[in-house]
Amino acid sequence: QQPVQSPQAVILREGEDAVINCSSSKALYSVHWYRQKHGEAPVFLMILLKGGEQKGHEKISASFNEKKQQSSLYLTASQLSYSGTYFCGTVGYNAGNMLTFGGGTRLMVKP
Amino acid sequence: DTGVSQDPRHKITKRGQNVTFRCDPISEHNRLYWYRQTLGQGPEFLTYFQNEAQLEKSRLLSDRFSAERPKGSFSTLEIQRTEQGDSAMYLCASSLTPSGVYEQYFGPGTRLTVT
Repeated sequence: QQPVQSPQAVILREGEDAVINCSSSKALYSVHWYRQKHGEAPVFLMILLKGGEQKGHEKISASFNEKKQQSSLYLTASQLSYSGTYFCGTVGYNAGNMLTFGGGTRLMVKP
Repeated sequence: DTGVSQDPRHKITKRGQNVTFRCDPISEHNRLYWYRQTLGQGPEFLTYFQNEAQLEKSRLLSDRFSAERPKGSFSTLEIQRTEQGDSAMYLCASSLTPSGVYEQYFGPGTRLTVT
């Protein structure tokens, strides 16, 4: 029941774009995105609640397709600070806001 | 700093010993969660509290694990008779839940090494 993230890893040059996908086999109430740098705690990026909802945070945005049980995180004009591991966390219905995290996508941005 | 804090940050123990970790959530956050994270994996849910009530426990949480949040503020996670497989990062998160869905804010974690 763990959501599946793809790709598992991606290497970018500064300024390039990336898309990280998160797919679940169960109906989702919400999707949460976090970024974690090595040795640090996961940092909250954004939460998507409704099917078709899109949100943006500086140059990072995300979409949530409730019908397909999928979410995508879009990073545009990547910066060195975007490097880290990105996790999606999904919440099913009647799950009490219990997050089930995917395996993560390791993103490395090079100069 | 008003973020989530955890203590200790690192713990090395011998197999069979008991360990206890503490988590102080963001002030006024009524929900507190415990997660476990192993290298290269996402955090794995263990349990959560709303105020002092423990509302959910993962099936993965063996009887050796117990958590408390006696006054609805800080929480402790105890592992009895530690095993090498318990080695992991233990993360605490908190959230404020007036209604609906809400983001969880994570603490820096306690890294446990069982030798």
